[in-house]
Amino acid sequence: EADIYQTPRYLVIGTGKKITLECSQTMGHDKMYWYQQDPGMELHLIHYSYGVNSTEKGDLSSESTVSRIRTEHFPLTLESARPSHTSQYLCASSELTQGSPLQDPGTEAFFGQGTRLTVV
Amino acid sequence: KNQVEQSPQSLIILEGKNCTLQCNYTVSPFSNLRWYKQDTGRGPVSLTIMTFSENTKSNGRYTATLDADTKQSSLHITASQLSDSASYICVVSDRGSTLGRLYFGRGTQLTVWP
Repeated sequence: EADIYQTPRYLVIGTGKKITLECSQTMGHDKMYWYQQDPGMELHLIHYSYGVNSTEKGDLSSESTVSRIRTEHFPLTLESARPSHTSQYLCASSELTQGSPLQDPGTEAFFGQGTRLTVV
Repeated sequence: KNQVEQSPQSLIILEGKNCTLQCNYTVSPFSNLRWYKQDTGRGPVSLTIMTFSENTKSNGRYTATLDADTKQSSLHITASQLSDSASYICVVSDRGSTLGRLYFGRGTQLTVWP
């Protein structure tokens, strides 16, 4: 069982509200990710982090922001929620390998259970 | 363009039957390939991970194969159970960057009927 947790599991919120989706992991992983997934579609990377004070935007443009003040936490914030933000948000973490990419056997990404966000 | 394509999009089988899910990828340079199982409303859970040199890997009733030459992988499920009903996602990682970027397929939605 992976030790990565997301809260809340479900959230229904009105347009214009500020929301923060929480993600915590107890595995000591340096890498953390946020993905967005619409029903029946693939996961899209929206943010990632290599470690404390490191945050980068992913492939999918997102109006959300993230922070990484502590290794364990990687919260995602929407300053003003809109109906277009309705989706499932998945947090994941993995180890930061020390070897070069050519030596990297690949580490597993552990996923949280997701937050289903509905903006009305 | 790095892509991961899965087929079929959806599949319905009777309990106890076997099935095979397919994954084709164009990700380069290739690092590894994972199969994940995602139950409805939950996060994906890893089933197998395969590197370039591995051809077959089993995890209970799940057997994954990898042909790195043709860039194809399959996931074979033996003696299906009702609890196998889920989306099965093929994920390929590249080794062109320290991040080890993950490329996701759209998944195959498997339904097992009693």
